[in-house]
Amino acid sequence: GQQLNQSPQSMFIQEGEDVSMNCTSSSIFNTWLWYKQDPGEGPVLLIALYKAGELTSNGRLTAQFGITRKDSFLNISASIPSDVGIYFCAGPDNYGQNFVFGPGTRLSVLP
Amino acid sequence: SAVISQKPSRDICQRGTSLTIQCQVDSQVTMMFWYRQQPGQSLTLIATANQGSEATYESGFVIDKFPISRPNLTFSTLTVSNMSPEDSSIYLCSVEDLPGNTIYFGEGSWLTVV
Repeated sequence: GQQLNQSPQSMFIQEGEDVSMNCTSSSIFNTWLWYKQDPGEGPVLLIALYKAGELTSNGRLTAQFGITRKDSFLNISASIPSDVGIYFCAGPDNYGQNFVFGPGTRLSVLP
Repeated sequence: SAVISQKPSRDICQRGTSLTIQCQVDSQVTMMFWYRQQPGQSLTLIATANQGSEATYESGFVIDKFPISRPNLTFSTLTVSNMSPEDSSIYLCSVEDLPGNTIYFGEGSWLTVV
């Protein structure tokens, strides 16, 4: 089945730094979704991308839908402590029925 | 986006018992899903809850272990049967707004089996 890969697996950054993480696949996705999960909580949708090349921002977050439709990146600018969590990328499978999730990028922000 | 409420939010369960998790949505939705997230892992789809018919299970998940009900377009339950410590996970209810578009999650139900 379709799979999503995320890198890095984890990252430690200083408060105030910018963060970049990405999501790749060997197959095409027509939608890219980015979620953040806090410990013990359900994932919360951050950004949804529906068109190749699309660049979308949500506050300090910016995500892009890769032109090849096989990748997407998420950037966080000027990180703050509440950015700590696990960031997942996801997309619907070829049948548009089930959503595939990447393994996640665990972000830690040091004060 | 729909507001999705799950309960219980967390529970500690005895080995061999069963627990039913409820998912209530504040609006009618066509597609509801149940996911499992084992400690430190990503999300794995258990099944799609179909209104008025049997749920559609993913490979590795069976109805006897994870019976699902979907009596209407706003409510679903997932039962984790005959629990073992390996069933300790977060169980997440989710809904889809439009086919292949976006899915939203409830707060999750964190089960610990002892």
